[in-house]
Amino acid sequence: EVQLVESGGGLVKPGESLRLSCIGSGFTFLDYSMNWVRQAPGKGLEWVSSISGSDVKFYADSVQGRFTISRDNAKNSLYLQMNNLRAEDTAIYYCARDTNALDVWGQGTTVTISS
Amino acid sequence: VLTQSPATLSLSPGERANVSCRASHSLGIYLAWYQQKPGQAPRLLIYDASNRATGIPARFSGSGSGTDFTLTISSLEPEDFAVYYCQQCNSWPRGTFGQGTKLEIK
Repeated sequence: EVQLVESGGGLVKPGESLRLSCIGSGFTFLDYSMNWVRQAPGKGLEWVSSISGSDVKFYADSVQGRFTISRDNAKNSLYLQMNNLRAEDTAIYYCARDTNALDVWGQGTTVTISS
Repeated sequence: VLTQSPATLSLSPGERANVSCRASHSLGIYLAWYQQKPGQAPRLLIYDASNRATGIPARFSGSGSGTDFTLTISSLEPEDFAVYYCQQCNSWPRGTFGQGTKLEIK
């Protein structure tokens, strides 16, 4: 079964950091580009970042310079290092596999930024 | 920019639903549709404007090209009441989603 499982969310204060992880199984991880997508409470989907199989990276303007996406193909893992967190980063963070669309999604991990 | 309409659609089971997604520039056929139910992750329904993803029932169909796209649900089942999003897929990274259309029971 093709599956993505996120972890690493939690409650932190503004200015602090978190590192999210996403482990893939049931497919050849290195063959796929991967994405982070977030959803603030009661809001729509917001693309956050993407990384190709060859390590090309892109970020939304809202997180550029604060978030870093990375992957470890040997561990079938995707990461999102989030620094200098703000209240507006509060959201459920999903990882998603990229084929001709985002065809497989994890269940999400919740990040809450509050003092 | 992707603009979905309507923001909310109120229909009854058995009725036909049409959700529109308009792009600010041509996407060719490269548009995807997702369904999200409360408390769940989004699920891919349609890719390349009209291709159903694996396991998606035939009552879901997509059409359009260029800047205008439509998701159609031919006869609504109770489990179809959810939020629907479009996303451009003509370039990488995929980026922007539409703002979502809530399909609610009338």
